[in-house]
Amino acid sequence: AQSVTQLGSHVSVSEGALVLLRCNYSSSVPPYLFWYVQYPNQGLQLLLKYTTGATLVKGINGFEAEFKKSETSFHLTKPSAHMSDAAEYFCAVTGGRRGGSNYKLTFGKGTLLTVNP
Amino acid sequence: DTEVTQTPKHLVMGMTNKKSLKCEQHMGHRAMYWYKQKAKKPPELMFVYSYEKLSINESVPSRFSPECPNSSLLNLHLHALQPEDSALYLCASSRQPGSPANYGYTFGSGTRLTVV
Repeated sequence: AQSVTQLGSHVSVSEGALVLLRCNYSSSVPPYLFWYVQYPNQGLQLLLKYTTGATLVKGINGFEAEFKKSETSFHLTKPSAHMSDAAEYFCAVTGGRRGGSNYKLTFGKGTLLTVNP
Repeated sequence: DTEVTQTPKHLVMGMTNKKSLKCEQHMGHRAMYWYKQKAKKPPELMFVYSYEKLSINESVPSRFSPECPNSSLLNLHLHALQPEDSALYLCASSRQPGSPANYGYTFGSGTRLTVV
């Protein structure tokens, strides 16, 4: 079974400041990890994903995340926040094996990012 | 075409009505999903279709009835809903059933459903 904990339901930063959204996971198998962004009244857009290989993953819109197995973490960062980054961000995990029951994305509760001018 | 298209975008229905939500993708994905998202909550999985067959039903009440007429189309038929069923209903697809991790889910923009 997998679970995700997102620390901080609301993060507020100034425009141009570092964005750091925290995600810790629990998984009984090697995890595949995702970050999704959801703008108001929209669906979910994939920002980035970690499956295997390089632990530093770069995504769209300047975001990146680092998989740290020893810390069971997958924190999302962006060096400089932009007003357009204001949205809800979801971390998600699924089992890292083909087949079986790894169809299911388990989401964290989400972090609302606000960007102040 | 790299999109999942959902219609309608908004739907208001009475508790005695019958309505349907539609989801379409032309990416050749063979797994399709329905998720329900309440306000300020993460999405919750409802159904999984694998090669046009229902493979997972996450204990969803029978007033929700999914249908997959072909590999590109997924419907969700609604009947006798309750006000607490009001939510954003999201459709998603992935290339291969059981392997969403390798290719990722593609989500639609959702249908905002209000039951009155």
